[in-house]
Amino acid sequence: QLQLQESGPGVVKPSETLSLTCTVSGGSISTTGNPFYWGWIRQPPGRGLEYLGAVDHLGSAYQKTSLKSRVTISVDTSKNQFSLKLRSVTAADTAVYYCTRVVNTGEGGRGYLDSWGQGALVIVSS
Amino acid sequence: DIVMTQSPDSLAVSLGERATINCKSSQSVLYSGDNRNYFAWYQQKPGQPPKLLINWSSIRESGVPDRFSGSGSATDFTLTISSLQAEDVAVYHCQQYSSFPPTFGQGTKVEIK
Repeated sequence: QLQLQESGPGVVKPSETLSLTCTVSGGSISTTGNPFYWGWIRQPPGRGLEYLGAVDHLGSAYQKTSLKSRVTISVDTSKNQFSLKLRSVTAADTAVYYCTRVVNTGEGGRGYLDSWGQGALVIVSS
Repeated sequence: DIVMTQSPDSLAVSLGERATINCKSSQSVLYSGDNRNYFAWYQQKPGQPPKLLINWSSIRESGVPDRFSGSGSATDFTLTISSLQAEDVAVYHCQQYSSFPPTFGQGTKVEIK
């Protein structure tokens, strides 16, 4: 059974970079035919879900436009991991960050999310 | 970005009764090329990540009880729980994946009356 696990610091200072890694087990990121993307979603406390972006196993990344200047999503197939970097964080970036498997339903990093990590709470605070 | 709006924000239903959640998208998520609605529903229990319930607007994921059903097309969708069980207490989210970025509704909290 596929499992995803987020890891990274739970507290980040304002203006610094939030870095999270997702380790995938029970399956390979490098699946022939590119049926999946590997995505990041966040959920601020008490609020809804926001799709940050996704990457495929070849390293093609798709980031939400409004965050594009701050977000980098990358993949390391040798470690079966993918990562999120969010630069210049503020308190508004405080959220639970989920890594997910995205079933590829078309071009451009979109699809539905059929497997989720447990989530990592990241607090932006000095 | 496509805006997804759910209604109501919360509802309380008696055990065994029907619960209905609506979701409206600001643009059609029906793709004429394959006549499919690029739309999903998720269930999120407290302290847990969301779980995929339904994709393509009406296809239940494996293992999802048949009391959950999805309907609708283009811009208006409904999730129905035909007979609410205690374990169905959760927040339910709708999502479109017709265009990038995929977007979610604000969530609907379902409680027991």
